[in-house]
Amino acid sequence: SQQGEEDPQALSIQEGENATMNCSYKTSINNLQWYRQNSGRGLVHLILIRSNEREKHSGRLRVTLDTSKKSSSLLITASRAADTASYFCATPYGNNRLAFGKGNQVVVIP
Amino acid sequence: DAGITQSPRHKVTETGTPVTLRCHQTENHRYMYWYRQDPGHGLRLIHYSYGVKDTDKGEVSDGYSVSRSKTEDFLLTLESATSSQTSVYFCAISDTSGAYNEQFFGPGTRLTVL
Repeated sequence: SQQGEEDPQALSIQEGENATMNCSYKTSINNLQWYRQNSGRGLVHLILIRSNEREKHSGRLRVTLDTSKKSSSLLITASRAADTASYFCATPYGNNRLAFGKGNQVVVIP
Repeated sequence: DAGITQSPRHKVTETGTPVTLRCHQTENHRYMYWYRQDPGHGLRLIHYSYGVKDTDKGEVSDGYSVSRSKTEDFLLTLESATSSQTSVYFCAISDTSGAYNEQFFGPGTRLTVL
């Protein structure tokens, strides 16, 4: 399976702090995606980073990709209560498929 | 949610009964996906479609069938529901292959099989 695996699986931080989570995967990929899921809702795409990119920014999000270590990290800076959610990494496999990790639960305490 | 709806949003049914979940999109996207989400397992692909009448199996397809007779609708059928199919089901769409571009997710259907 190509599934990504997030680490740590649960994180609790104070508002204003940074949150960092990691994702590891098993085989070669040409891109990696991060998604957010608020409680009771569907997943929302955050960012896609391609294999030839090392780092990508989107607002308060920073994603890195290290293909040699088969790992990615998602950094949320200056966290807000609204960032409380589960975060998933996803990697492509087979034809047109995405494999999702089990998710990383982040709680931001106001 | 990017013009994607799921119906019903909640359903309680009994073991052995057939159940059909519907995913409807207004985006004219080619790819449509059905996932199930369970604690400890994350999101797992059931089936997906890459065009009208074109479908393929995912990693947990046993006990499920799908149909796509028009671009906007993707149906997931549990022929004879079992308790192990109690889950939250998500539909997703993608303009090009969802493996290489973002997928847009629907709000989900919570299914309970008693």
